[in-house]
Amino acid sequence: DVKVTQSSRYLVKRTGEKVFLECVQDMDHENMFWYRQDPGLGLRLIYFSYDVKMKEKGDIPEGYSVSREKKERFSLILESASTNQTSMYLCASTSGTGFSPLHFGNGTRLTVT
Amino acid sequence: KQEVTQIPAALSVPEGENLVLNCSFTDSAIYNLQWFRQDPGKGLTSLLLIQSSQREQTSGRLNASLDKSSGRSTLYIAASQPGDSATYLCAVRGTGGFKTIFGAGTRLFVKA
Repeated sequence: DVKVTQSSRYLVKRTGEKVFLECVQDMDHENMFWYRQDPGLGLRLIYFSYDVKMKEKGDIPEGYSVSREKKERFSLILESASTNQTSMYLCASTSGTGFSPLHFGNGTRLTVT
Repeated sequence: KQEVTQIPAALSVPEGENLVLNCSFTDSAIYNLQWFRQDPGKGLTSLLLIQSSQREQTSGRLNASLDKSSGRSTLYIAASQPGDSATYLCAVRGTGGFKTIFGAGTRLFVKA
């Protein structure tokens, strides 16, 4: 079974801090994604990566950056956390073929105070 | 631009009832459609994936259908149980890349 692991379930950070959210998958998937989920706004794509060191902006990349140095690991970085980045962050991965489902981690609930 | 709509937004049914959740999408150029379940405060669990060339998929008490030409999918849940209570999301991956667009979800409550 595919496992997507997010390093933290809950995180509390202060405004202005640099925040790292880590995601690891164990199925050798090429594609990895970061979403955020907010009530009333649904899931919105922040960034995705289709290969090591490759990344593309999603719909809401402002205030975020990503890093993919190894195939199994995809990190989301909040350069200077702000209160409007308080949200549930979800990492996902897929092999990219039409037969491969999108697999999600359990999410990280980030609160910025 | 692809838009995915789910109706109803919320549904409450008695245990044992068969039910249908609806998903519609505006652009029929899709690669696949996936149904997910999300429990409160948790991530998304994949339930069923339908390729664009397929008409339906089944897993246990769940059956998902796809009508690409009309831009619709349904998730049928047979003999509902209180443990089925969750939010169900459908998501569409277009043919133009890796992006997957999600519906807002249907919150299901099954009463014992």
